[in-house]
Amino acid sequence: EPEVTQTPSHQVTQMGQEVILRCVPISNHLYFYWYRQILGQKVEFLVSFYNNEISEKSEIFDDQFSVERPDGSNFTLKIRSTKLEDSAMYFCASSLAGAVKTQYFGPGTRLLVL
Amino acid sequence: AQKITQTQPGMFVQEKEAVTLDCTYDTSDPSYGLFWYKQPSSGEMIFLIYQGSYDQQNATEGRYSLNFQKARKSANLVISASQLGDSAMYFCAMRAPSEYGNKLVFGAGTILRVKS
Repeated sequence: EPEVTQTPSHQVTQMGQEVILRCVPISNHLYFYWYRQILGQKVEFLVSFYNNEISEKSEIFDDQFSVERPDGSNFTLKIRSTKLEDSAMYFCASSLAGAVKTQYFGPGTRLLVL
Repeated sequence: AQKITQTQPGMFVQEKEAVTLDCTYDTSDPSYGLFWYKQPSSGEMIFLIYQGSYDQQNATEGRYSLNFQKARKSANLVISASQLGDSAMYFCAMRAPSEYGNKLVFGAGTILRVKS
């Protein structure tokens, strides 16, 4: 069964460093998403991506964040200068289409900023 | 107002019993979808079941069923014949495109513990 994959599973970084989180969405999916979950809290939307551009973003997704689909399979989230409060689980998700279609999540990347 | 409300922070259920996890939602979009995800201690988010706002029947997927009461704006998850492996965090989520876009809006979650 096709699934969303994410690398790395865990990342530890120093405050101020750049990190890139990688995702490979399900191959025939068209919409891609990043969510994050701070420990013990609810899952929060960051950004959605369709047709090689951002379709929606939340207020969390500020200028420190960027997304890219550098080739036909990968989808990346870059945090330019990490802050302590960026420590969270980051989930990539993908769906076939935008309107009320199921989003399938990857296993997550646990990011710890020291 | 909260878009998705899960009022039960934690629930216990005896193995082999059924359990209902509550979820209420708020949207003015007539076309929306409701989802339940399971998050075990390992952290991944596993899709369980989906209910569309225009679906006439309550959704079912194996031991999972969704008790959809549109007038009450509730979408409770029912797990029948609970198993120890059902112990996890459960999130209710909604997608209401015309009001909230294509993103999923999540509730705070309910931790379920299945006792042997």
